[in-house]
Amino acid sequence: DAGVTQSPTHLIKTRGQQVTLRCSPKSGHDTVSWYQQALGQGPQFIFQYYEEEERQRGNFPDRFSGHQFPNYSSELNVNALLLGDSALYLCASSLMEGVGQPQHFGDGTRLSIL
Amino acid sequence: GENVEQHPSTLSVQEGDSAVIKCTYSDSASNYFPWYKQELGKGPQLIIDIRSNVGEKKDQRIAVTLNKTAKHFSLHITETQPEDSAVYFCAATFGSARQLTFGSGTQLTVLP
Repeated sequence: DAGVTQSPTHLIKTRGQQVTLRCSPKSGHDTVSWYQQALGQGPQFIFQYYEEEERQRGNFPDRFSGHQFPNYSSELNVNALLLGDSALYLCASSLMEGVGQPQHFGDGTRLSIL
Repeated sequence: GENVEQHPSTLSVQEGDSAVIKCTYSDSASNYFPWYKQELGKGPQLIIDIRSNVGEKKDQRIAVTLNKTAKHFSLHITETQPEDSAVYFCAATFGSARQLTFGSGTQLTVLP
């Protein structure tokens, strides 16, 4: 049973560029959430996708956008990259039905902005 | 807004001893409280969770307790082993929200 998979594992970009990160959820899960984890801190919620729509959004600017595909996989796009966007980007999958469904994380994409 | 505070930030114990990490939350409507273990270079791994209608849950050497009145919950690890060394995060969901709000993490070191 494959868990949550993310690609790529590492990425280096320069300021002003754009980046796309990818996530495949755990088998049977229909909901994907994205988190940003700065070094030494806990993950911060970016947004959540269900039925190909953004359902919830955290306190992140519009430069952060996403997409969910019919097979439940998801992409996170970040435009006009800033130095402060350097972080580990985590994808978590879960089931939408019911409150308090466990979220399972992938190992993340380490994004470095030069 | 929703807030989760976690203490201590670092914790060192001798192998075989117990470790306790505590978290407090701000919103009394919180209803789900997971704990994650994160090893270097890996994503957070769910190790145990508890819902607001339960006061305690145990899974082998790991247990979580919840005090809704005081709005705090704790992770207890007994008979610690070197492989328990990692960063541990508590988290909470608030009301109907499905997003997790995380604590700031505890670096647990188990000394052989």
